[in-house]
Amino acid sequence: EVQLVESGGGLVQPGGSLRLSCAASGFTFSSYSMNWVRQAPGKGLEWVSYISSSSSAIYYADSVKGRFTISRDNAKNSLYLQMNSLRDEDTAVYYCARFFPGMDVWGQGTTVTVSS
Amino acid sequence: QSALTQPASVSGSPGQSITISCTGASSDVGGYNYVSWYQQHPGKAPKLMIYDVSNRPSGVSNRFSGSKSGNTASLTISGLQAEDEAGYYCSSYTSRSTVVFGGGTKLTVL
Repeated sequence: EVQLVESGGGLVQPGGSLRLSCAASGFTFSSYSMNWVRQAPGKGLEWVSYISSSSSAIYYADSVKGRFTISRDNAKNSLYLQMNSLRDEDTAVYYCARFFPGMDVWGQGTTVTVSS
Repeated sequence: QSALTQPASVSGSPGQSITISCTGASSDVGGYNYVSWYQQHPGKAPKLMIYDVSNRPSGVSNRFSGSKSGNTASLTISGLQAEDEAGYYCSSYTSRSTVVFGGGTKLTVL
């Protein structure tokens, strides 16, 4: 079964850091580009970051550029999002999504809450 | 990057057809045939319904169709069913090599 499972979310204070992980299974992870997408409580979807299959191309939304870092380990079938200098407005459910084109496989999401 | 513009809500009766619009600019929707549509039920992850403007992934009902004219993309759902009631989001590739989503549309099946 094709599956993505996120982990690493939690409660963190403003200015703090968190590292999200996304474990892939059921497909050849190294052949696909990946994305992180987030959704604040009661709000719409917001694209966060993209990484190509070989990590040669990486892009970020302006709202997280310079604070978040996307990476992957194809040997471990895993995608990561290092989040630094977290702000209240980063509070959201964070999804990892496979790029097909179109994001055709999504994880269940992991919740990040930034609050003092 | 501003979000693409979608109507906040649309509604229709079972069996009817509805269309959701998604308006962007020449730097995103109008400039590329990389528009996707997602369905999201409350508390669930989004599901890809349309990619590259008008293509349906395997397993998606042919009641769902997509199109584009200029800077506006559209999702049409024909033969509305109760299970179609959900949030719908469009997205587009942009000239900055980023992705932008629409604000989302809540579909109510009356």
